[in-house]
Amino acid sequence: DIQMTQSPSAMFASLGDRITITCRASQAISNSLAWFQQKPGNAPQRLIYAASFLQSGVPSRFSGSGSGTEFTLTISSLQPEDFATYFCLQYRNEPWTFGQGTKVEVK
Amino acid sequence: EVQLVQSGAEVKKSGESLKISCKGSGYVFSTYWIGWVRQVPGRGLEWVGVIYPGDSDTRYSPSFQGQVTMSVDKSTNTAYLQWGSLKASDTAIYYCARHQFITGGQFDYWGQGTQVTVSS
Repeated sequence: DIQMTQSPSAMFASLGDRITITCRASQAISNSLAWFQQKPGNAPQRLIYAASFLQSGVPSRFSGSGSGTEFTLTISSLQPEDFATYFCLQYRNEPWTFGQGTKVEVK
Repeated sequence: EVQLVQSGAEVKKSGESLKISCKGSGYVFSTYWIGWVRQVPGRGLEWVGVIYPGDSDTRYSPSFQGQVTMSVDKSTNTAYLQWGSLKASDTAIYYCARHQFITGGQFDYWGQGTQVTVSS
């Protein structure tokens, strides 16, 4: 199985901050990576697909980059509704595997 | 509007059987795979497998192969995940999500989740 190592596992940030979350794959996955946001009690929602394509309806402050084994999710200016947990997912090989998650909390 | 609506929470005992459901609407159900994902607090998200309603082709994660069974009923646009004999370790939230093997097709819509609680 491909291991997805996500960092950090948690972070504290303030409104307006620029934050970056990283996922590293244990082997190359091309651009077969998606990012999801999850709020307590809700299902995950996709933000980014194919590493850098913004899901329709997702604010442009979210962006994704990377290819191969290293990927990043960036939020350019943190808004109140962005405090949540973020996951990456690789879908290059089965079984698909998720990162462990990054919880973004208020500083 | 695309929707995936899952069945309600279940509380069961070890050894009992269970079948949970995921009903799709707002799109052509038979042309999208349905995937299942398990979420256990502290263990993150785990891919259970996917099923294609068009021909019931299934792909299981090795971790779940033989532990669960995926099925579909095309006549009602419903996918199912079932257990023959539950264990306490099956306690989790189970999500369904739709998927296509095209760019942008992976898990774009999710169900609301079904909490499964198994007591020993």
